[in-house]
Formats: sequence, C-alpha cells, structure tokens
Amino acid sequence: TQLLEQSPQFLSIQEGENLTVYCNSSSVFSSLQWYRQEPGEGPVLLVTVVTGGEVKKLKRLTFQFGDARKDSSLHITAAQPGDTGLYLCAGDGSSNTGKLIFGQGTTLQVKP
Amino acid sequence: DTGVSQDPRHKITKRGQNVTFRCDPISEHNRLYWYRQTLGQGPEFLTYFQNEAQLEKSRLLSDRFSAERPKGSFSTLEIQRTEQGDSAMYLCASSLYDGYTFGSGTRLTVV
Repeated sequence: TQLLEQSPQFLSIQEGENLTVYCNSSSVFSSLQWYRQEPGEGPVLLVTVVTGGEVKKLKRLTFQFGDARKDSSLHITAAQPGDTGLYLCAGDGSSNTGKLIFGQGTTLQVKP
Repeated sequence: DTGVSQDPRHKITKRGQNVTFRCDPISEHNRLYWYRQTLGQGPEFLTYFQNEAQLEKSRLLSDRFSAERPKGSFSTLEIQRTEQGDSAMYLCASSLYDGYTFGSGTRLTVV
C-alpha cells in the first residue's frame, strides 16, 4: 500500500518567517503534486514534479522532489498571512488511472 | 468554462435517507474522479471514470455508494441509507492528461 506522510501536521508562524513542509514515503512515485486548500474549497494545484532531484520555484515557494522519487519538500520564504491554508502532497497511484494518493496535509497559519 | 462545478455545496440529511450529488467537469476533460475528505485529513480516492466508463472503485466505496457518468459528461454520486460516518466533504476532480482541477466540493452532514 502506498502511503504519504506529511510533517509537520500543524504549523503556526509569524509573518516573515521561513518554513519547510515534508512529504515522505517508502514507495517510489513517478510524479508528485502539491496542492493548497482553503476551508470549504477544493484543493488547488500548485506544482507537479516529475524528475528525481527536480526543483521548481513559484514566487516564494520552492518545491523539491527527492532523488529517489520517494519524498518531496515545500519551502516557503518570508511567509505572509495569505499563505495560510492546508498544504497537501499527492503522488500518482500505482495504476494507470491517474488516481492520487494524498498525504494527511499540513495546516499552516501565518500570523500578521 | 469556469472549472469543475459541484452541486449542492452543502447537504444536511437525516440518517437513513438517500442523497445524490452532481459534478460537472471541465468540458474537454475525459477523466473524472470522486474523492472523500474528512476533517483534518487528505482526500481519499473513491472512484474514477474515463469518459462514461467507471474503471476503478476503491474498497471505501461500499454497496451503498453508486456513481454514474452517463454520456461521459456530468457525473452523479449517490449514497443510499446514509450513516453518520458518511459525513464528509465529497470532492470531484477532472483531468485531461495530468494536473487535476478540483471542484469546491459538497459538504455532507448526516444527523
């Protein structure tokens, strides 16, 4: 069974601080996606990483896919209150259907 | 096309009643997925359609759950004889190749 574990589960920081969220598995994934979800809404895709060792940047967000394609990280620089939300990593399932295996999420609160 | 639409946004029902949710995907997307998300957890896969064919169902989808996608367009998810444990956010997503677009979900509360 493929599982993704995210850490930490909860993070409360002050505006301007940096943070890193981790997504780990014992399974290899051919791709991994990061989503952000606000209360009462569906997840919104931030990035897809495909190649082991790949690094992608989205403004103040940096995403990295592990060399072995078993883990990933999301680093936010100078967090802002607008970054508050639930961050989810998701890996492609073992079938060819495109179904995703999600981590349990990291709830981030950025205080002004 | 404004994205994936789900209806209703919220549903409160009494235990034992049947409920049906609708999902309208992005029109050119041939893949449609249903997920369930409980508070504090990530979404869990329920079922997948490619066009009108239901190609995979999770073990989470008991015989009280049924999903359809007639003509490969919109999809419905029906839950019969609802139980309190069915209370959750039901999310629909569609895709063409990769990169999902999720709807805003239907929040179900069974009382």
